[in-house]
Amino acid sequence: KNEVEQSPQNLTAQEGEFITINCSYSVGISALHWLQQHPGGGIVSLFMLSSGKKKHGRLIATINIQEKHSSLHITASHPRDSAVYICAVSKGMNYGGSQGNLIFGKGTKLSVKP
Amino acid sequence: KAGVTQTPRYLIKTRGQQVTLSCSPISGHRSVSWYQQTPGQGLQFLFEYFSETQRNKGNFPGRFSGRQFSNSRSEMNVSTLELGDSALYLCASSPRAGGLTDTQYFGPGTRLTVL
Repeated sequence: KNEVEQSPQNLTAQEGEFITINCSYSVGISALHWLQQHPGGGIVSLFMLSSGKKKHGRLIATINIQEKHSSLHITASHPRDSAVYICAVSKGMNYGGSQGNLIFGKGTKLSVKP
Repeated sequence: KAGVTQTPRYLIKTRGQQVTLSCSPISGHRSVSWYQQTPGQGLQFLFEYFSETQRNKGNFPGRFSGRQFSNSRSEMNVSTLELGDSALYLCASSPRAGGLTDTQYFGPGTRLTVL
């Protein structure tokens, strides 16, 4: 079983719909990242969370540390939101311990139709 | 500020050769991380450097190595290339010492093809 699981793998939505992408993890973490990757390959960091909730424009990310679960919400979705959304968790020591690691989910491919 | 730059953008090598990829972080960023992305395995963490020291390392064989210079620029080297090393290699920089627990700014990647 992968340490980071995302669902759904693929998601098709109509413009304007509310979208939720889920990420579950099975390890202790220091932080959780949500990334966006467009077809050209470029990756943009959307959020970095260690607790609670963050909002940026139409994007909202939440994390529940006890349940080891995070969600990424997109309100009023638009075709330009079409991309692969990737969840990643930072685990282990990050200050000289040589054991820190960033573990990625397989990604959720989102397609928003006009 | 200029973003993270990676050179070269595309590279073709043959099995058994070695390759060096370069990454220049955003000015002022001192943490640089490297990642490999393949269709089969997705994104995987290679290593992270801060102040010329490797702080964290993923589960890759010793053929994969890296270093960071005093100006924070970083290089990664892959020796004895295998077909499976064909991938997009991405680097990312972070502004603070947090590294993997900080926001990552990604470069455009180097597409390596091993024939």
